[in-house]
Amino acid sequence: DVVMTQSPLSLSVTLGQPASISCRSSESLVYSDGKVYLNWFQQRPGQSPRRLIYKVSYRDSGVPDRFSGSGSGTDFTLKIARVETEDIGVYYCMQGTHSRTFGQGTRLEIK
Amino acid sequence: EVQLVESGGALVQPGGSLRLSCVASGFTFGDFAMNWVRQAPGKGLEWISFISRVSSPIYYAESVEGRFTISRDNARNTLFLQMNSLRVDDTAVYYCASDSPVSGHFDYWGQGTLVTVSS
Repeated sequence: DVVMTQSPLSLSVTLGQPASISCRSSESLVYSDGKVYLNWFQQRPGQSPRRLIYKVSYRDSGVPDRFSGSGSGTDFTLKIARVETEDIGVYYCMQGTHSRTFGQGTRLEIK
Repeated sequence: EVQLVESGGALVQPGGSLRLSCVASGFTFGDFAMNWVRQAPGKGLEWISFISRVSSPIYYAESVEGRFTISRDNARNTLFLQMNSLRVDDTAVYYCASDSPVSGHFDYWGQGTLVTVSS
């Protein structure tokens, strides 16, 4: 099974400052169609998860442009350009190339 | 507006059974593959099952294979999860999530339904 490893597992960021979360897969996430099925999700306290980014770097509708995704092969990154209060929560990467596997989650708090 | 509404969660004894439902609205249900994802209390997300638009193929995580059965009724816009031989470690919030034919996995999620397995 593909293992998704996120780092850090916890992040404390000052409002207005950037944040970055890394996600590494145990195998390449390039599918046979040439696409990379790596997604990022946000789960605010008490809420269902919400998808932010799909296929590495495509933002979902309604997601602020301060969120961006990048990466290739086995290494991926979610960046928040300027953290706001509403960004508090847990962030998960998920691969959909080899079945489906989530990372452990990264908890973002405001410093 | 897209909505996924789960129901059926309850307190059940170990070894018991439960059937979850997820009713979809606001999109053409039959065009979307569907999934069940669960989250144990205070833990992360775990994908447990996938069903294609036409009910084949179907996939399960090892943790539920042979005990859980996913199905769907496109005429009723409803996804199901039949859970048998429930164990204490099946205790979790269960979410249904859709797979967009355009953007891919887990584009929409329901609010979840809580399953508690305890004696």
